[in-house]
Amino acid sequence: DIQMTQSPSSLSTSVGDRVTITCQASQDIGHYLSWYQQKPGKAPKLLIYDESQLDTGAPSRFSGSGSGTSFTFTISSLQPEDIATYYCQQYDDLPFTFGPGTKVDV
Amino acid sequence: QVQLVESGGGVVQPGRSLRLSCATSGFTFTNHAMTWVRQAPGKGLEWVAVISYDGGNKYVADSVKGRFTISRENSKNTVFLQMNSLRPEDTAVYYCARGRTTTNFSPQDSWGQGTLVTVSS
Repeated sequence: DIQMTQSPSSLSTSVGDRVTITCQASQDIGHYLSWYQQKPGKAPKLLIYDESQLDTGAPSRFSGSGSGTSFTFTISSLQPEDIATYYCQQYDDLPFTFGPGTKVDV
Repeated sequence: QVQLVESGGGVVQPGRSLRLSCATSGFTFTNHAMTWVRQAPGKGLEWVAVISYDGGNKYVADSVKGRFTISRENSKNTVFLQMNSLRPEDTAVYYCARGRTTTNFSPQDSWGQGTLVTVSS
């Protein structure tokens, strides 16, 4: 199975800050990486797919980059509603493994 | 609008079975692969199973292989997860999610609200 790691596991930030989360895959996954946002008690929400494509309705302050084994997720200017846990997921090979998550709070 | 509604969760003893259902609406069901993802209390997301748009291809995680089966009934726009020989470690919220494309190899772009399965004696 492809192992996904994320860093940091948590971060405390301020409204308006730029936030960056990294995701590493244990093998080359091309650009088959997505990012999800999950708020407490809610289902995950797709933000980014194919490493950098913004899903319909996702705010443009969210972006993704990278390829192969190393990926980055960025919130350009953190808003209060962005407080959540963020997960990366690879879908290059089954099983479609998730990273352990990064909890973002203020 | 796109809706996915899971049902069938509950409290069950170890070794027993449960069948989860996910009723969908608001989109062309046969244009999408469907996935089950679970989340144990206080833990991260774990991918469980995927089924192709036509039901012809199915894959389950090793942690549930031989115990869980995914299926779909396209005439009813519904996907199922049959869970047998349940273990305490299967306790989780189970989410049904729509694949972004017809292929199994796509992210999940719409999710249900989840249904809680608790395996306990």
